[in-house]
Amino acid sequence: SSELTQDPAVSVALGQTIRITCQADSLRSESPNWYQQKPGQAPLLVIFRKNKRPSGIPDRFSGSSSGDTASLTITGAQAEDEADYYCSLRDRGDTNVVFGGGTKLTVL
Amino acid sequence: QVQLVQSGSELKRPGASVKISCKASGYTFTSYGLNWMRQAPGQGLQWMGWINTKTGTPTYAQDFQDFIGRSVFSLDTSVGTAYLLISSLKAEDSGTFFCARGDYLDYWGQGTLVTVSS
Repeated sequence: SSELTQDPAVSVALGQTIRITCQADSLRSESPNWYQQKPGQAPLLVIFRKNKRPSGIPDRFSGSSSGDTASLTITGAQAEDEADYYCSLRDRGDTNVVFGGGTKLTVL
Repeated sequence: QVQLVQSGSELKRPGASVKISCKASGYTFTSYGLNWMRQAPGQGLQWMGWINTKTGTPTYAQDFQDFIGRSVFSLDTSVGTAYLLISSLKAEDSGTFFCARGDYLDYWGQGTLVTVSS
């Protein structure tokens, strides 16, 4: 099955821009969905279908991809963005959902 | 508004079974499949599989060897609820189990903590 690789941890200064990456063995022209999870909470969908944001997600969150690397960009990170971020993709043939290992974002 | 409400925390002995519920509201239950995920303490998310709420057909994650043969997804469409049954529990099964809606996992239950300990 596919694998999605994320950096375990990244940090960003308050108000700066951070790109969280998700490396796939093959994106097959798809873009992963992205989820934010704060301690003790359920994950929250922040980006789906390449660069769509669910209602209520701030527009500082955006998604993109280049080759087999997808990115979640937070433009002007806020303290409340400190969380774990997971990318996720439906595997070949839509039979499995694969999650990346997650990236812990610290906002300094 | 769309909500998925899961049953409460469980403490189980090794070898026992646990059945977790996920009650949906705010949308037509059979319009979206329901997925199940596990998160071990301090670890990432693992997809366990999903159940087609129109047909009741479950699909179990092919790579999730830990739970293959021990987990069963089911539905009660009359009350808009999905269930996850895990049998022959082991200490290493402990973790938080989540349900989430549809192809994009756009709504999640609050999670159910299962602790397996003697």
